[in-house]
Amino acid sequence: GQQVMQIPQYQHVQEGEDFTTYCNSSTTLSNIQWYKQRPGGHPVFLIQLVKSGEVKKQKRLTFQFGEAKKNSSLHITATQTTDVGTYFCAGQVGDKIIFGKGTRLHILP
Amino acid sequence: DSGVTQTPKHLITATGQRVTLRCSPRSGDLSVYWYQQSLDQGLQFLIQYYNGEERAKGNILERFSAQQFPDLHSELNLSSLELGDSALYFCASSAFTGGWMYNEQFFGPGTRLTVL
Repeated sequence: GQQVMQIPQYQHVQEGEDFTTYCNSSTTLSNIQWYKQRPGGHPVFLIQLVKSGEVKKQKRLTFQFGEAKKNSSLHITATQTTDVGTYFCAGQVGDKIIFGKGTRLHILP
Repeated sequence: DSGVTQTPKHLITATGQRVTLRCSPRSGDLSVYWYQQSLDQGLQFLIQYYNGEERAKGNILERFSAQQFPDLHSELNLSSLELGDSALYFCASSAFTGGWMYNEQFFGPGTRLTVL
C-alpha cells in the first residue's frame, strides 16, 4: 500500500548541533504537513507545504518539499532542549492522509 | 490547548468488550479525524467525517465504526476488542471545507485504551 517512509527513527544530538529528518513517499503527494509531538503530548501542526520545490522557514526550522513532490525534509539549526519530541510528516494522497512513523529527537545537554 | 476535547482520558477494559470514545471538535470546525497511535505502527489514519458525513477511510478495522452527530461531536466505537487494540486514540479537527486539500489539523489530548 501507499507509504510514507521517515528516517531516521531516532536521533540523538548534542545541544547546539543541527538535526534533519527525511520523508519519502512512493507516490506523488498533493501536499505534506509536519507535526511535532512532545513526550506525553499530542501532535501539534508545524507547517504545510504544497508547491513543488517549496521551502519554508520558521526561525531555526527549515522545511523543504521535493521537486517531484515525493520527498520532504525538516532541518533544525542549533538544536535546543525545547526541540525534544517526535517529528512526523503527513502526506496527502487522494483523500487519505499518511503519516510517517516519526523521528524521535533526543537532545544531550 | 488545541480546543479539541476527548473523553475519557484513560480506558481499561477486557478482550471481547466494546467501548466508545468521544470527541468534540474546535468551535466552528466541521471536519473530524480519528487516528490510532501505537508504538510499532506510528500514527494511523482511521477515518474522517465532514459535516456529519463519512468522507475518507483509512486503515479502519471492520470491528471499528464512527459517526459524527448534528452537533458535530464524534464517537469512535471499538468492538470485540483484542489485545492489539491497546493504543492511544487521537481525534483531530480542522477547518476543512470539503475541497480537495486537507489543511492544519488540531489534535485532542487522546484516549489511552488498554485491553487486558
